Amino acid sequence: DAGITQSPRHKVTETGTPVTLRCHQTENHRYMYWYRQDPGHGLRLIHYSYGVKDTDKGEVSDGYSVSRSKTEDFLLTLESATSSQTSVYFCAISESFVGSAEAFFGQGTRLTVV
Amino acid sequence: GEDVEQSLFLSVREGDSSVINCTYTDSSSTYLYWYKQEPGAGLQLLTYIFSNMDMKQDQRLTVLLNKKDKHLSLRIADTQTGDSAIYFCAESIGPALIFGKGTTLSVSS
Repeated sequence: DAGITQSPRHKVTETGTPVTLRCHQTENHRYMYWYRQDPGHGLRLIHYSYGVKDTDKGEVSDGYSVSRSKTEDFLLTLESATSSQTSVYFCAISESFVGSAEAFFGQGTRLTVV
Repeated sequence: GEDVEQSLFLSVREGDSSVINCTYTDSSSTYLYWYKQEPGAGLQLLTYIFSNMDMKQDQRLTVLLNKKDKHLSLRIADTQTGDSAIYFCAESIGPALIFGKGTTLSVSS
């Protein structure tokens, strides 16, 4: 695997609580992405980053925020978790724009909101 | 919206060839990808094809691209039980990879 570490790998949280997921890379890649995977939907882009402090929304960004203060770390925050955010979350990295470079995926974080 | 379509299930016998089909939406996509996901794991890039190619072969894998019909296929020759997994087709649109829902390949011995 490329040097991507997601933490935590599993989390159970209560509705209404804030949750932060971390993606850490050691590849010095410029682009970082957060996807969620749900049965019947494949993977859908939540947010992405194209540099330190440069982020933008993806297809399913409502209820999520992100931050990237260092090249190696990309944080995904659920400000007030809801049951619809129960999912498997994947971080991905790529050296350049995804249409011209391979994207590498982390192992995923399984989040359950009860 | 953008939809990448794949059949959901494919069942084959060990040693047979598997063909997984995909239709995509954006004719301007530069690259088209096939990813593999084993249970409990992340996605592993299997292969990709540049949009100006018709075919790409990589050991047991053959990718065919029909741009006119926006159809992509992945053929796995001599399928093994270790090939059992979910296979995702993806196209690049803007900053994102748009994924299909995945095809579950089941290989029986």
